[in-house]
Amino acid sequence: ILNVEQSPQSLHVQEGDSTNFTCSFPSSNFYALHWYRWETAKSPEALFVMTLNGDEKKKGRISATLNTKEGYSYLYIKGSQPEDSATYLCALKTSTDAGNNRKLIWGLGTSLAVNP
Amino acid sequence: DGGITQSPKYLFRKEGQNVTLSCEQNLNHDAMYWYRQDPGQGLRLIYYSQIVNDFQKGDIAEGYSVSREKKESFPLTVTSAQKNPTAFYLCASSRTTSETYEQYFGPGTRLTVT
Repeated sequence: ILNVEQSPQSLHVQEGDSTNFTCSFPSSNFYALHWYRWETAKSPEALFVMTLNGDEKKKGRISATLNTKEGYSYLYIKGSQPEDSATYLCALKTSTDAGNNRKLIWGLGTSLAVNP
Repeated sequence: DGGITQSPKYLFRKEGQNVTLSCEQNLNHDAMYWYRQDPGQGLRLIYYSQIVNDFQKGDIAEGYSVSREKKESFPLTVTSAQKNPTAFYLCASSRTTSETYEQYFGPGTRLTVT
């Protein structure tokens, strides 16, 4: 059974702090890794989809890196703001499902709280 | 505005009754999905559909049924055979042909069965 692990489970930081968290996954049969942000009382929202080893994506103060050989991705938030408070989910797509666009394996998420 | 709508937001049913959760999208997406979220667990796939009139079981399809008669709509029926139906249900869609495969989510329906 494939497993996607996220750490830490939760994180409390002060406004202005930079932070990062990890998504770990089996490196075999890698196809793509998704990052989503899920704010309380809202829908999950896609942040990045990463497909290549060494990929680095950026959206404003949020960036992500990918290492498919060792099976991990880091999500970084620079200068955290209270509006960054959310659960950050990663999800793995394996090559056995590629082309079918049907199945992501989800982590449990990292819950981030940014105190003003 | 394009997006996914789910209704209702909260749903209460008596045990033994079937209940249908609505999911509609106006994003022109081919693929649609139903997930279930339970405390302490990641999102689990119930059913997915890649195209109209076609759908496939996900990891936890037992006790659920779906239909995909229109591109925009993918309703989920929770039947009385589902042993633990109380959960938060999320519907999502994506462009099947897109290289990015990102999924767009609705706001969810919280179902409570007593």
